[in-house]
Amino acid sequence: QQQVKQSPQSLIVQKGGISIINCAYENTAFDYFPWYQQFPGKGPALLIAIRPDVSEKKEGRFTISFNKSAKQFSLHIMDSQPGDSATYFCAASKRGSGGGADGLTFGKGTHLIIQP
Amino acid sequence: NAGVTQTPKFQVLKTGQSMTLQCAQDMNHEYMSWYRQDPGMGLRLIHYSVGAGITDQGEVPNGYNVSRSTTEDFPLRLLSAAPSQTSVYFCASSSERSPRGYEQYFGPGTRLTVT
Repeated sequence: QQQVKQSPQSLIVQKGGISIINCAYENTAFDYFPWYQQFPGKGPALLIAIRPDVSEKKEGRFTISFNKSAKQFSLHIMDSQPGDSATYFCAASKRGSGGGADGLTFGKGTHLIIQP
Repeated sequence: NAGVTQTPKFQVLKTGQSMTLQCAQDMNHEYMSWYRQDPGMGLRLIHYSVGAGITDQGEVPNGYNVSRSTTEDFPLRLLSAAPSQTSVYFCASSSERSPRGYEQYFGPGTRLTVT
């Protein structure tokens, strides 16, 4: 049973456009929702994260929108740049069980290509 | 700080062989985890540790053992390698003290092929 579903699997966006990646979760015990960015040959790196007590969080060109009732969250990349081309993973964890210590449940990833 | 380091970077094993993937972190993080990454599958948690001497199973623990005798090190042992264990393995560490809260710091990965 996949607890975090991510879509689309791949996405092509023109430079300057908005990239949108969506995730849905099933476990209502999840209360920490990060997005990770991974470049080829590298480990994932935290991009931005949100907790369910807010509906939106923005850091620079990256925004997470969170809908607790629908159990969905999304990543928006504004003014997408070729350097944003990477694989993006949404994830979730249960803070109560050690503050994320028991690891993250990841979506399957979105391969994003920004065309110049 | 070197962050999270993993060795080796690449490894080829024959079916039935055993080996240990090494992971170390120098950030004094209390939490450490092992993930495997397969094409189209995202990252899946194998084992994790909340502190020295304490480990627990993740989503896909079969065929792997871990131990954590020190805060810094968290080795992953493959007991009898199988082709299904061909994957990229990532070690990660995290801490409640991190400014970005529970941020997992990932190592560069070990690419393992089992023939």
